[in-house]
Amino acid sequence: DAGVIQSPRHEVTEMGQEVTLRCKPISGHNSLFWYRQTMMRGLELLIYFNNNVPIDDSGMPEDRFSAKMPNASFSTLKIQPSEPRDSAVYFCASSFRGGYGYTFGSGTRLTVV
Amino acid sequence: AQSVTQLDSQVPVFEEAPVELRCNYSSSVSVYLFWYVQYPNQGLQLLLKYLSGSTLVESINGFEAEFNKSQTSFHLRKPSVHISDTAEYFCAVRGSGGGADGLTFGKGTHLIIQP
Repeated sequence: DAGVIQSPRHEVTEMGQEVTLRCKPISGHNSLFWYRQTMMRGLELLIYFNNNVPIDDSGMPEDRFSAKMPNASFSTLKIQPSEPRDSAVYFCASSFRGGYGYTFGSGTRLTVV
Repeated sequence: AQSVTQLDSQVPVFEEAPVELRCNYSSSVSVYLFWYVQYPNQGLQLLLKYLSGSTLVESINGFEAEFNKSQTSFHLRKPSVHISDTAEYFCAVRGSGGGADGLTFGKGTHLIIQP
């Protein structure tokens, strides 16, 4: 298994631009999580899906952030418009619903200048 | 809701010395507890977990953690560290009810191994 695959690994964009981060969970996993990691705030859960349905998006910081999961093998996290304070590493993780182990992707390092 | 406190942001220790990384949690419900390790520029990897049963859990690379319900702690220990253990370590918690809720993480502890 290739694990959780995130793309791109690095993204540098200008303030105001739209950014789309992508995630392919492990095949068969039916829960997917988006986290953001910064030095100041650590790891924050942004949103998670069970069976492609968003369950809790209370961690999404602002309306500029949106996430979708159109099918079991793909999810996106979009920021529009992006701001410098969105600079962080964004991780995607997946698991079996009710399972105990979460597998993380390698992350996308986003820099907004 | 749950919360996790990792009391030390950074722990320096000499190679082959023992180490303990502290973790305390807060929760109004029963919990599952986890330790994850993050090497530079990589994602998080599960190190070990407590779900139920024996309160002492071990990983394959010599780490162990003990669940202490009365002290709401889940400290991570290793009797003899190696240079390769240098990494960021995160304690995490989630409720033990049904469903796959997101993990709540501590701020992390940077373990620095000195030769």
